[in-house]
Amino acid sequence: QVQLVESGGGVVQPGGSLRLSCAASGFTFNHYGMHWVRQAPGKGLEWVAFIRYDGSDEYYGDSVKGRFAISRDNSKNMLYLQMNSLRSEDTAMYYCAKDFRDRYYFEYWGQGALVTVSS
Amino acid sequence: EFVLTQSPATLSLSPGERATLSCRASQSVISYLAWYQQKPGQAPRLLIYDASNRATGIPARFSGSGSGTDFTLTISRLEPEDFALYYCQHRSNWITFGQGTRLEIK
Repeated sequence: QVQLVESGGGVVQPGGSLRLSCAASGFTFNHYGMHWVRQAPGKGLEWVAFIRYDGSDEYYGDSVKGRFAISRDNSKNMLYLQMNSLRSEDTAMYYCAKDFRDRYYFEYWGQGALVTVSS
Repeated sequence: EFVLTQSPATLSLSPGERATLSCRASQSVISYLAWYQQKPGQAPRLLIYDASNRATGIPARFSGSGSGTDFTLTISRLEPEDFALYYCQHRSNWITFGQGTRLEIK
C-alpha cells in the first residue's frame, strides 16, 4: 500500500530555514510527480510546489516562489522541501502528496508535518 | 486571477438526506476538476477526479457532475462518516483549491 511519511517539522524563528522530508513507499516512486500542499491552522488548502517524476521540472505557488525549493532523491524514494526566509504566514501543516496520472490531482497524502514560524 | 468559489460555506443536513455541494470556476476548466474530503485531524482524500470519476475505493453514493464553470458534488444518502470538509480543486495558473464547504450534522 502507498505510504507517505513526512518529517522535519518544528518551530523556527522568522527568517529561519527548515527542511522537510517525505519518505515514499508502496509505489514506483520514480514514475510519479510529487507535490507539497500546506494548510494553515483552521484554514483551507494551499498548493506549495510540484516536481516531475525525474526531477527535471519544478513549479511553485506564488507565495513561496524564490524562498522554497522542492527536490527528490529517486535512489532513496525521498521527497524534500527546503524552506528559507520563513515568515509567520508559512505556519501550517505541510503534506506531501503523490500526483494522480499526470493530472495534477493528489491521489495519496501523507499525515503531515507541522511547521510553526514564531519568535 | 483564477478562483474557485464553493457554496454554501456550511451545509447542515441529517443522515440519510441528500447533499449537494457546488463549486464555480471564474473561467472554464473544461472537466479538469477534483473533489476532496477532509476529516478533522486527517489529510484530505481524493473523491472525484475529472469532474465525474470516482477515485479508487470511493463509495457509489458520491458522484460528481458539471463542466465548464459549474460543478456539483452529490452525496446521495448521507452516512455519519460523511460529515466533513469538502474542497474542489483545479490546475490553472498552477493549482487552485476552493475555500471549502463544511458539511455538518443538523
